[in-house]
Amino acid sequence: AQKITQTQPGMFVQEKEAVTLDCTYDTSDPSYGLFWYKQPSSGEMIFLIYQGSYDQQNATEGRYSLNFQKARKSANLVISASQLGDSAMYFCAMITFKAAGNKLTFGGGTRVLVKP
Amino acid sequence: EAGVTQFPSHSVIEKGQTVTLRCDPISGHDNLYWYRRVMGKEIKFLLHFVKESKQDESGMPNNRFLAERTGGTYSTLKVQPAELEDSGVYFCASSQGRLPYEQYFGPGTRLTVT
Repeated sequence: AQKITQTQPGMFVQEKEAVTLDCTYDTSDPSYGLFWYKQPSSGEMIFLIYQGSYDQQNATEGRYSLNFQKARKSANLVISASQLGDSAMYFCAMITFKAAGNKLTFGGGTRVLVKP
Repeated sequence: EAGVTQFPSHSVIEKGQTVTLRCDPISGHDNLYWYRRVMGKEIKFLLHFVKESKQDESGMPNNRFLAERTGGTYSTLKVQPAELEDSGVYFCASSQGRLPYEQYFGPGTRLTVT
């Protein structure tokens, strides 16, 4: 079975500073993918970044980067230069490729509040 | 291109009543997924359609939940009869291929059972 753990239920960050959101995962499948989604107060789930288990380099998308440490089974999200609009819930999720279908397993989420 | 849409955005019903949630995936997407997040818990997978067929319904909590996908287009999720523990946000997502990052989410339906 797959499991995603996000140990930070909530955190504050000062505008323009960087913030790291923790995510650890557990799976016996050697082939998997890791995601981060953002859910603002409006409710929609916005895809931020993806990392495949065989990717050699850490994924980056603009101000988002994923610190992938495979041996430690961690996939932390780093948001650089935080903006007020980054205030939201952030979910780490995983997909495994052994089974058919692409169902996502989610962590409990981390609520980020950016202070001006 | 229109994204995934869900209707209604909010629904408040009494225990024992029936509610039907609708999801319209992105046009042309064969894969359609339902997820839900009940209060204070993780977002959980419910089921996965490929076109009109149920590929994986391992996450459906019990037989009070019935999902259909007419003609491989839109999908409905019916809860009958609704219980208090069904309250939460129900998300729909769609994708075309097997590339995982192409799973696009709708805005969700917030269901409150009183």
